[in-house]
Amino acid sequence: GDSVTQMEGPVTLSEEAFLTINCTYTATGYPSLFWYVQYPGEGLQLLLKATKADDKGSNKGFEATYRKETTSFHLEKGSVQVSDSAVYFCALSVFNAGKSTFGDGTTLTVKP
Amino acid sequence: KAGVTQTPRYLIKTRGQQVTLSCSPISGHRSVSWYQQTPGQGLQFLFEYFSETQRNKGNFPGRFSGRQFSNSRSEMNVSTLELGDSALYLCASSLVVAGGQDNEQFFGPGTRLTVL
Repeated sequence: GDSVTQMEGPVTLSEEAFLTINCTYTATGYPSLFWYVQYPGEGLQLLLKATKADDKGSNKGFEATYRKETTSFHLEKGSVQVSDSAVYFCALSVFNAGKSTFGDGTTLTVKP
Repeated sequence: KAGVTQTPRYLIKTRGQQVTLSCSPISGHRSVSWYQQTPGQGLQFLFEYFSETQRNKGNFPGRFSGRQFSNSRSEMNVSTLELGDSALYLCASSLVVAGGQDNEQFFGPGTRLTVL
């Protein structure tokens, strides 16, 4: 079946540090890949997405590239802020399945 | 355009009771999915409805059920509640386009269910 493995947390960084959260996947079809962010007490918000190999999703300074050869979709940001503190989820969805498979989530804390 | 709404936001029940949660998708979205989020199990897929039909189902017992109405609003029901059902229940809607590859789901804020 489909699965997503993401870097275990928690991750603690100082403001302006570089962020990488690793994500690899296994899928039976040709998935779309997503990063979601969840702030305390809230639902999930889509951070960025990529629908085909070599696509780069980007938003709010975050980036991730769909690497089919390594089945990866690592999240990066060059300079994190305190406001980036949240839980980040990597997810995949196979064509029109109406179902996403999520990683376990990585808690990021950014200290001033 | 209004986002996905879920009611109620918080719910406290006792073991053995049943509960119904409601989800209103984004206007025009015909697919509604439900997820259970717990600290121990993470985000787990419950089921998905599309055009009033259950299209996908996760590995949950029959106590968990759902339905979708003609206006795409969805409800999920949990009967004979157990302590382990305490969780955040998230609803997500998506726009299903024939031949489309984009499967982005839009999530509601969730319903926090506590079973005592």
